[in-house]
Amino acid sequence: QVQLVESGGGVVQPGRSLRLSCAASGFTFSSYAVHWVRQAPDKGLEWLALISFDGTNKYCADSVKGRFTISRDNSKNTLYLQMNSLRAEDTAVYYCARDSLGIFAFDIWGQGTMVTVSS
Amino acid sequence: QSALTQPASVSGSPGQSITISCTGTSSDVGVYNYVSWYQQHPGKAPKLMIYDVSDRPSGVSNRFSGSKSGNTASLTISGLQAEDEADYYCNSYTSSSTNVFGTGTKVTVL
Repeated sequence: QVQLVESGGGVVQPGRSLRLSCAASGFTFSSYAVHWVRQAPDKGLEWLALISFDGTNKYCADSVKGRFTISRDNSKNTLYLQMNSLRAEDTAVYYCARDSLGIFAFDIWGQGTMVTVSS
Repeated sequence: QSALTQPASVSGSPGQSITISCTGTSSDVGVYNYVSWYQQHPGKAPKLMIYDVSDRPSGVSNRFSGSKSGNTASLTISGLQAEDEADYYCNSYTSSSTNVFGTGTKVTVL
């Protein structure tokens, strides 16, 4: 079935780096733009980044610009989020979400991966 | 990009109708018809309920409807049911080619 599965979360010290992955299956990954969205504990959703279907266009929220980088490998059906200089406020569940074709909405979501930034 | 403004909580009795507002600016909600709404139950991933202001994905109950006026979008849930108790978030495309979510609304079924 159509699904996205995130991985790579865990506990990391402040200032360190972490790379999250999002594996897609059940659809033609290379045809869809994809997003990263996060949710801090007991807080709301925060949009982080978008990458176009072919990886040529990338957009990022000001809150993580310069520290987080979105990328993809269509040959592996995988989306990535490279997170550098992590801070305590980056502690959150990180979701990947598919951008539905022809509309500006997130129609498929992964189950999320938890990142905890703590010494 | 500041979050879109939603009421923190809305409640209603079973069978009633409730409306959740989502207020943005002339750089997002006010200029694009790319407003979507998401339902999130505790510990679960969000689920798309409305896209393009008022369209429903296949499988979403017609008790959910959306609209927009100026810089404010709205989600209405009619015939409120216990299963509708959840958090709801709006989202809009922006003039910077980014996205922004609303602050979120907790819906309680009394």
